[in-house]
Formats: sequence, structure tokens, C-alpha cells
Amino acid sequence: KAGVTQTPRYLIKTRGQQVTLSCSPISGHRSVSWYQQTPGQGLQFLFEYFSETQRNKGNFPGRFSGRQFSNSRSEMNVSTLELGDSALYLCASSFRTGRNNEQFFGPGTRLTVL
Amino acid sequence: AQKITQTQPGMFVQEKEAVTLDCTYDTSDPSYGLFWYKQPSSGEMIFLIYQGSYDQQNATEGRYSLNFQKARKSANLVISASQLGDSAMYFCAMREARDTGGFKTIFGAGTRLFVKA
Repeated sequence: KAGVTQTPRYLIKTRGQQVTLSCSPISGHRSVSWYQQTPGQGLQFLFEYFSETQRNKGNFPGRFSGRQFSNSRSEMNVSTLELGDSALYLCASSFRTGRNNEQFFGPGTRLTVL
Repeated sequence: AQKITQTQPGMFVQEKEAVTLDCTYDTSDPSYGLFWYKQPSSGEMIFLIYQGSYDQQNATEGRYSLNFQKARKSANLVISASQLGDSAMYFCAMREARDTGGFKTIFGAGTRLFVKA
């Protein structure tokens, strides 16, 4: 079974631009979560989608948004990029949502904002 | 307040020896899940082991075991017979219900493990 895939793997943007990151979950998984990882803040939860509905959102500004499609693929968008948005963005998928939810992570998209 | 605390920023262990990575957590939810993930330098997070708050026995997965002490809110990861490939960052995580509905996974700051030959 193929794992979680994320595209692109690397991205360089300049301040003020916007970016869209894509995540394809493991086949059959309906839940997708996004995380931002930086050296200073560690791993921070962005949002979780299940069956095309956002179930949960972390403490990020409205510039960060996401969506999930009927095939469970998910995209996240960051508008008006800031230098502080430079990070590794990780996507994780799971079969369902819940407390015992084992999440499988993708390789991440490394975003650099210049 | 810190929900997940990993007090060891870095750890060294000799190859073939066992090592314990500490993790304490804080939650008022009686039902929660505890996870450990490994992140090699490549960046990908690899699931290692899961422990449910109602599980009576400590979880084990191959060379990994979770020393779960519920009263102390402790969920330490034990790696037996360390291998050079175990050198990586290790994250403890907790999944709990949110007041606003849904579930959230919170990660600790991580412990970087170095295995010496």
C-alpha cells in the first residue's frame, strides 16, 4: 500500500506570495491532518479534515487555510507569506478520527520564504 | 501550560544497550491516546508505538516498549538493543478530545538520540 505523499517536496517563495501544498493520504484513509514544524516552535497542529469537513483547527492566523476533496486528498494554502512561515509542513493520514488514531505521516514539504 | 514534556533534549547510548526516553503529559480528559514517533534526518515521521489510557498492559512493538505509569502521567519509551539506525529525533505525542469538539494531537519538543558505535 502506498504511503502518504506530499507535493511539492521543496518550495521557495518570496514574502507576500501565496502557496498551495498537496497531500494524498493512504488509500482508504479519510482523515488528514496538517502540522507545521519549525526549530523554534516544534510541531504545531494546523488543522484536521475528515470526510471533507474541517474537524479541528489550531491557533494559526486566517492566512492558513485548507480543504479536503471527496477522494480524501487535501490541500493547504498559505496566503501573503511571511518569513516566519518557513517550515517543514507535514501531512498525516489516518483511517478515522479519534483518540486512538494512529497517524501516518508523509515526507513533508519544506517551504522557504525569502 | 506544557501538555507534553520531554525533558531530555539529547541522549547518548552505546550500540546494543537499552535506552529510556522520558515523556510526561498533562490532561484532564480521562480518555486519551499516547504515541511515540521517530523522525530521522530525512524529516519523515515514523510511528513507533501507541498506548491507550485505558490499556492495562504496557504496549510493545518489537524493540520498542512504552512504560506507561498513568498515575504519574508518564509514558516513557524504552528502546532495547540500540542500533546505529536508531539515531534520530523522537517525539512523544498525546491525542485528546477538544472542548470545541474533535480531537487534537499535541507533540512534545522531542529528544535527539545519538547511538554510538
